Amino acid sequence: SQTIHQWPATLVQPVGSPLSLECTVEGTSNPNLYWYRQAAGRGLQLLFYSVGIGQISSEVPQNLSASRPQDRQFILSSKKLLLSDSGFYLCAWKNPLVGNQPQHFGDGTRLSIL
Amino acid sequence: DQQVKQNSPSLSVQEGRISILNCDYTNSMFDYFLWYKKYPAEGPTFLISISSIKDKNEDGRFTVFLNKSAKHLSLHIVPSQPGDSAVYFCAAGGSYNTDKLIFGTGTRLQVFP
Repeated sequence: SQTIHQWPATLVQPVGSPLSLECTVEGTSNPNLYWYRQAAGRGLQLLFYSVGIGQISSEVPQNLSASRPQDRQFILSSKKLLLSDSGFYLCAWKNPLVGNQPQHFGDGTRLSIL
Repeated sequence: DQQVKQNSPSLSVQEGRISILNCDYTNSMFDYFLWYKKYPAEGPTFLISISSIKDKNEDGRFTVFLNKSAKHLSLHIVPSQPGDSAVYFCAAGGSYNTDKLIFGTGTRLQVFP
C-alpha cells in the first residue's frame, strides 16, 4: 500500500532563517505531488504541484519554492522565512493514471515563525 | 474570491442522529467533488467523492449529495458516532485541471453522547 511521510512534524524557526521541509511517498511510481498550506481558520491553499521530476507548477507568488529531485520526493524551501509563512504545511500525492482520483495527505508540519 | 464555501464553521449533533454538512461552490466548471475528514495535528483523510454525472454517492454511513443547479453539495453521516468528531472539508476540482483542488474552510463537527 502507498504511504506518505512528512517531516518534521513541528518546527519553530526565527524570521529570516532558511527552511526545508521534505515529503516522500512509498508504494507508488510517478505520483503527482502537492504542497498545501493551511493558515489559521482558513482552508487548504495549494502552493505547488509536480507531475514529474524537475517539473514544478507554482500556484501563488510567495516566499517559498519547491523542488522534486527524485520521483517520490518533494521538497518545500525558503531562503528567508517571513512571519506570514507560519502555518500548517501539508504534502499530498495522487495517482495520475486513473480518471478522477483523490489526493492523499501526509500528517503535515506545523511551522511557527518567531 | 472564495469558490468553495462552507458557511457553517461548526455543527453539534447527538450520537445516533444524522449529521448534515453543507458546501456551496460558484465555479460551474467544477465536475469532481470530495469530502475530507481531519483530526487535530493530522493530515486530511479522504472520505468520499462524487462526479458531476451523479447526484448521489454512498459509502457505508456516509452519503454525498450533489445539486448541480444549486451548486450545492452535502455530506450526510448516519448514524453519527463520537469518532466522527473532526473538521470536515469539502473540495472541488475540474477536468480542465485535475491537479487543482479548491478547498472550503471546513466545518467542525462535534458528536456528543
